[in-house]
Amino acid sequence: EAGVVQSPRYKIIEKKQPVAFWCNPISGHNTLYWYLQNLGQGPELLIRYENEEAVDDSQLPKDRFSAERLKGVDSTLKIQPAELGDSAVYLCASGRVATDTQYFGPGTRLTVL
Amino acid sequence: GNSVTQMEGPVTLSEEAFLTINCTYTATGYPSLFWYVQYPGEGLQLLLKATKADDKGSNKGFEATYRKETTSFHLEKGSVQVSDSAVYFCALINNSGGGADGLTFGKGTHLIIQP
Repeated sequence: EAGVVQSPRYKIIEKKQPVAFWCNPISGHNTLYWYLQNLGQGPELLIRYENEEAVDDSQLPKDRFSAERLKGVDSTLKIQPAELGDSAVYLCASGRVATDTQYFGPGTRLTVL
Repeated sequence: GNSVTQMEGPVTLSEEAFLTINCTYTATGYPSLFWYVQYPGEGLQLLLKATKADDKGSNKGFEATYRKETTSFHLEKGSVQVSDSAVYFCALINNSGGGADGLTFGKGTHLIIQP
């Protein structure tokens, strides 16, 4: 079974530029999560989807961050415009509703210059 | 709210030494508890989990017991190997609200095993 796929693995941009990250969850998983992991810290939840519905986006900075999950499968997380403080690893995870195990992708390491 | 506190690293041990990484938590409701491991250059992998008080999770020689009375989930291994060098994260999900909530993680503990 293929794992969670994320792309790109690495991204370097200049501040004020837009950036997008893509995630393909494990087949059959209807929950999808985006986490932010700063250097030396544990991941922090940004947004949680059940199918195509964002059921918890309370930690998503909506002034510059947006996310979508069309058709309840793949998801895209966007930052516009990026700031220096957005440099971090963005992790995607998936799972099944009413189960508590989440499976993580390799992450996208963003560097904002 | 929920929070997880784990011992700060790096923790440096010799091969075959006994390992303990402490983890305590604060949560409303009845959380499930997890240890995730992140090997160099790789993503987070589930190491073990426990879903209720007194449950013991185990995998690859690692163990952790869900202690409700001390709100702890300490990770142990009897004899570590160089290949266990990684960052270990303690985490919880609060099950009181139902559904598949987001994980709350500790800051991670960097474990270094020397030959």
